[in-house]
Amino acid sequence: EAGVAQSPRYKIIEKRQSVAFWCNPISGHATLYWYQQILGQGPKLLIQFQNNGVVDDSQLPKDRFSAERLKGVDSTLKIQPAKLEDSAVYLCASSKRRGTGEAGELFFGEGSRLTVL
Amino acid sequence: SQQGEEDPQALSIQEGENATMNCSYKTSINNLQWYRQNSGRGLVHLILIRSNEREKHSGRLRVTLDTSKKSSSLLITASRAADTASYFCATDIPSGGYQKVTFGTGTKLQVIP
Repeated sequence: EAGVAQSPRYKIIEKRQSVAFWCNPISGHATLYWYQQILGQGPKLLIQFQNNGVVDDSQLPKDRFSAERLKGVDSTLKIQPAKLEDSAVYLCASSKRRGTGEAGELFFGEGSRLTVL
Repeated sequence: SQQGEEDPQALSIQEGENATMNCSYKTSINNLQWYRQNSGRGLVHLILIRSNEREKHSGRLRVTLDTSKKSSSLLITASRAADTASYFCATDIPSGGYQKVTFGTGTKLQVIP
């Protein structure tokens, strides 16, 4: 079974530029997550999709971050314009979970490391 | 915001010793999970314990959960150099029709050969 694919692995940009990250989850996984992990910290949930609908984006800085999940499969996360504090690893994860009563592990991609200069 | 706080932040032990990491959380949960992250890599799931379970084992891993104290512990027995990694607890918090998965601050484990 193929894992969660993310690209690019590394990206360096100047502040105020834009960047986009792509994620292809495991086939058949209903739920997709984007996390931001700043060096030395735990992952922070930015947005959670169930199929192609957003179920949680409470910690997404909506003035500069946007995300979409096309046809309930692939997802992109965009930052425009980037700030210095956006330097982090952006992790995509997917799971089979569909609702409140379901437990199950999250499968993570390798992450996209962003450096903003 | 981080739901879980892990303790200790860093732990260094000799190969063959046991490693214990603790996680405390703030709100009621459905399940609690533990993940491992090698440097520069994504997170890998280790074990899930449901809120109605008190203890669970998987190979060299033992997880306990005390919902009255809102805490969990992960024990790795007979540690190996390959266990060197960061370990995170993650809580499943019911929220409307879905579960929000929130990670703790992590424990960085170093196992010295």
